[in-house]
Amino acid sequence: QVQLQESGPGLVKPSGTLSLTCAVSGDSISSGYWWSWVRQPPGKGLEWIGEIYHSGLTNSNPSLKGRVTLSLDKSNNQFSLIVTSVTAADSAVYYCARVTPLLTSAGNYYYGMDVWGQGTTVTVSS
Amino acid sequence: EIVLTQSPGTLSLSPGERATLSCRASQSVSSSYLGWYQQKPGQAPRLLIYGASSRATGIPDRFSGSGSGTDFTLTIRRLEPEDFAMYYCQHYGISPRIFTFGPGTKVDV
Repeated sequence: QVQLQESGPGLVKPSGTLSLTCAVSGDSISSGYWWSWVRQPPGKGLEWIGEIYHSGLTNSNPSLKGRVTLSLDKSNNQFSLIVTSVTAADSAVYYCARVTPLLTSAGNYYYGMDVWGQGTTVTVSS
Repeated sequence: EIVLTQSPGTLSLSPGERATLSCRASQSVSSSYLGWYQQKPGQAPRLLIYGASSRATGIPDRFSGSGSGTDFTLTIRRLEPEDFAMYYCQHYGISPRIFTFGPGTKVDV
C-alpha cells in the first residue's frame, strides 16, 4: 500500500521560503510516476502547484511565477517543494500526491492523482 | 488557459436522491482529460472519475460521469450519507502539461 506523508514547518515568515518534503512508502519515487503538489487555502478550492518526474523533469503552475522549485531525494525516497518570497496568500494546506497514467476508453492517458498525503498546514505570518 | 466553472455552488439534497453536478470548460477539451475528485472535510481529495466517464479503482457504480466538449456532468445515482462532500472537476492539459481544478460544488444535506 502506497503512502505519502508531508512534513515541514507550519509557520513561515512573510518574504521567507516555504520548504516541504513528501516521504513515500510502499513505492519507489524512481518507479516511473510523476509526483505532485497541490494546495488549498483555508475555505477555498484546490490549486495545483507543480510536479516532478522520476527523471527530475518538472512542471509548475505559471500562476506561481517561478517561485517554485521541486526536487527528488532518491536515497530517502522523498520529494520536496520550495516556494520563495511567500506572502499570506501562500497560507494553505499543502498536499503531495502520486500522479498515475490511467488509460481512458478513448485510448488516451489521463494523469490522475490517485494517492494523496494527509496534508500539512502552512501559515505565513510574522 | 482552460478555466473550469462548476454549478451549482451548493446542492442541497437528501440521502437517496439523485445529484447532478455540472462542470463547464472555457473552451472545448478532450473528454479524455477531464476528471472528478471528491473531498470530505479534513481529508485529502479522492479521485472518482477520469477520462470523463471511467470510475477510478474502488469507486461505487452509483457515481457516473459524462459529457464532451465544454460540458461535463457528474451524477450520483442515489446519495449515501458518505457522499455529502465537495466535488471538484479537473482538467489535465498535455501541452503545456498543467492541471486545473474547478471551484467545486458542495453537496450537503
